Amino acid sequence: DADVTQTPRNRITKTGKRIMLECSQTKGHDRMYWYRQDPGLGLRLIYYSFDVKDINKGEISDGYSVSRQAQAKFSLSLESAIPNQTALYFCATSGTGGIGGDEQFFGPGTRLTVL
Amino acid sequence: AQSVSQHNHHVILSEAASLELGCNYSYGGTVNLFWYVQYPGQHLQLLLKYFSGDPLVKGIKGFEAEFIKSKFSFNLRKPSVQWSDTAEYFCAVNRPSGYSTLTFGKGTMLLVSP
Repeated sequence: DADVTQTPRNRITKTGKRIMLECSQTKGHDRMYWYRQDPGLGLRLIYYSFDVKDINKGEISDGYSVSRQAQAKFSLSLESAIPNQTALYFCATSGTGGIGGDEQFFGPGTRLTVL
Repeated sequence: AQSVSQHNHHVILSEAASLELGCNYSYGGTVNLFWYVQYPGQHLQLLLKYFSGDPLVKGIKGFEAEFIKSKFSFNLRKPSVQWSDTAEYFCAVNRPSGYSTLTFGKGTMLLVSP
């Protein structure tokens, strides 16, 4: 079984709809992240959480919100989807950072299309 | 805040050619450096990472990278590419503070023709 799972894998929705993307992990990691990937722009951080009670905005949080329901679950919501939120969304997890580095483990991605 | 620059957006090579992908970062302090690979239709996977010690780091599938602190660079190399190396490659950096997030470059798309 995959260590980091995302649901749904693909979603097509309309402008103005509320959308929730879910992420679950079995790696036992405290840290979880949401990124969006756009062609030519790489990965940009939307939100991150270093533990269940910690939520932080990333580079591009406007129009998004998150919920950390448990150590293993981190959901991303688009309250009112707009077409420029069409992108590939990745969830990632990592252990505690520091001098040893912060390898992040990625989920398979959710392809979201907003019409 | 740190930033990462990848010089080439697209690279096209023939099989058996040598590969070097450039990566420069902008942060004057100690850093952790990473190269991730994304094969078509798949998620990102770690190729290799540097956090201390020998500046020449060896990763999976024959890839290596050299950290040159004076040049703020962490270039990825492979002596002989294969068709299966066709993928997008991302350089990333963070600070070993324990509370730093990864900053990714915009990626380099490598196409290897058979």
